[in-house]
Amino acid sequence: GAVVSQHPSWVICKSGTSVKIECRSLDFQATTMFWYRQFPKQSLMLMATSNEGSKATYEQGVEKDKFLINHASLTLSTLTVTSAHPEDSSFYICSARHRDRGRGETQYFGPGTRLLVL
Amino acid sequence: AQSVAQPEDQVNVAEGNPLTVKCTYSVSGNPYLFWYVQYPNRGLQFLLKYITGDNLVKGSYGFEAEFNKSQTSFHLKKPSALVSDSALYFCAVRGYSGAGSYQLTFGKGTKLSVIP
Repeated sequence: GAVVSQHPSWVICKSGTSVKIECRSLDFQATTMFWYRQFPKQSLMLMATSNEGSKATYEQGVEKDKFLINHASLTLSTLTVTSAHPEDSSFYICSARHRDRGRGETQYFGPGTRLLVL
Repeated sequence: AQSVAQPEDQVNVAEGNPLTVKCTYSVSGNPYLFWYVQYPNRGLQFLLKYITGDNLVKGSYGFEAEFNKSQTSFHLKKPSALVSDSALYFCAVRGYSGAGSYQLTFGKGTKLSVIP
């Protein structure tokens, strides 16, 4: 199947700093990528949809100035958590939409990034 | 709006026994349905999907799922469970989110524990 990578896999930062997370589709081009947040023992919450070459679409309640998304190429989307605070600590997962020939589309997920803000 | 229900928070099954993880859905139009598995501190791995065609879909690691339109269900199954199948399983449905875009809506997840 298609492979999606994320970097870093985990990060610890001080409150007030900004953290950038990268999401890459390794063997396919993805015009659309998604960013999710997952709290312990809960399901995935969609934060935003990232489209290559255009502005991201944010879900209701997600601060676009807090969570900056850039999708500058067909294989890379970045999420920057600006001025991070302890409540931003979470597991962030990206996914990329892959068009399967004759079989519609499938979202493939990255391994996730664990963020801990002290 | 689309929705997914996974009625069981946890499923316990003995190794070697068949397993079923339940999922029901609600969506306008034809359903595109997915199952993903998540191991601890990892992202989601794609298992299988239903778009059209045979109601029984075969996927990775010996898993299969049965689409039942009348019951709006898409239960995940495996004939013989392995201890290594222990993980968190998510059912998802693709729905239209407006402005020509689609997104996945996930169930809350079911924790599967396979007991040796």
